[in-house]
Amino acid sequence: AQKVTQAQTEISVVEKEDVTLDCVYETRDTTYYLFWYKQPPSGELVFLIRRNSFDEQNEISGRYSWNFQKSTSSFNFTITASQVVDSAVYFCALTSYGQNFVFGPGTRLSVLP
Amino acid sequence: DAGVIQSPRHEVTEMGQEVTLRCKPISGHDYLFWYRQTMMRGLELLIYFNNNVPIDDSGMPEDRFSAKMPNASFSTLKIQPSEPRDSAVYFCASRRGQENEKLFFGSGTQLSVL
Repeated sequence: AQKVTQAQTEISVVEKEDVTLDCVYETRDTTYYLFWYKQPPSGELVFLIRRNSFDEQNEISGRYSWNFQKSTSSFNFTITASQVVDSAVYFCALTSYGQNFVFGPGTRLSVLP
Repeated sequence: DAGVIQSPRHEVTEMGQEVTLRCKPISGHDYLFWYRQTMMRGLELLIYFNNNVPIDDSGMPEDRFSAKMPNASFSTLKIQPSEPRDSAVYFCASRRGQENEKLFFGSGTQLSVL
């Protein structure tokens, strides 16, 4: 069975600090896809990034960056110079052929002014 | 393009009443998913459809829950009779194509069963 673990339930940082959200996954498939979603206080789920298992290049998008390491089955998400608007619940998710999306439990990030 | 549209946004009902949640997926998307979100259990997949056909309903908690997709642009999730433990946020999501495609989520329906 596939599984996603986000060990950090809640994180609080002060604005402008860097913060890393951890995601560890389990799958027996060799081809799989990893995602991060953001759920701000308004409640909707917003797609942030998708990564396939054959692409281990790290990705940077503005203040956001993702570190994918197959050797440790991790897909961590870093926010640089955090802002109050980054406050949200962040979900890591995993899927593969014939499998449903499996979401982690989420990490609640609070960025304090 | 309009996103996934869910209605109602909020629903408050009394125990024993029938509740119907509605979803309009993004045009052209052939997969539709119903999720339930609670503090205790996080995001749970209830059921999903491919080309209007239910593929996996193993997440549906019990016979009180039913879902239909009569056409490509409409789906319903019905709870009859509702119970207080059904209180949650229910999300509909849609996707075009295979597993590597992202899910697009609706705004959710906040259901409160008193």
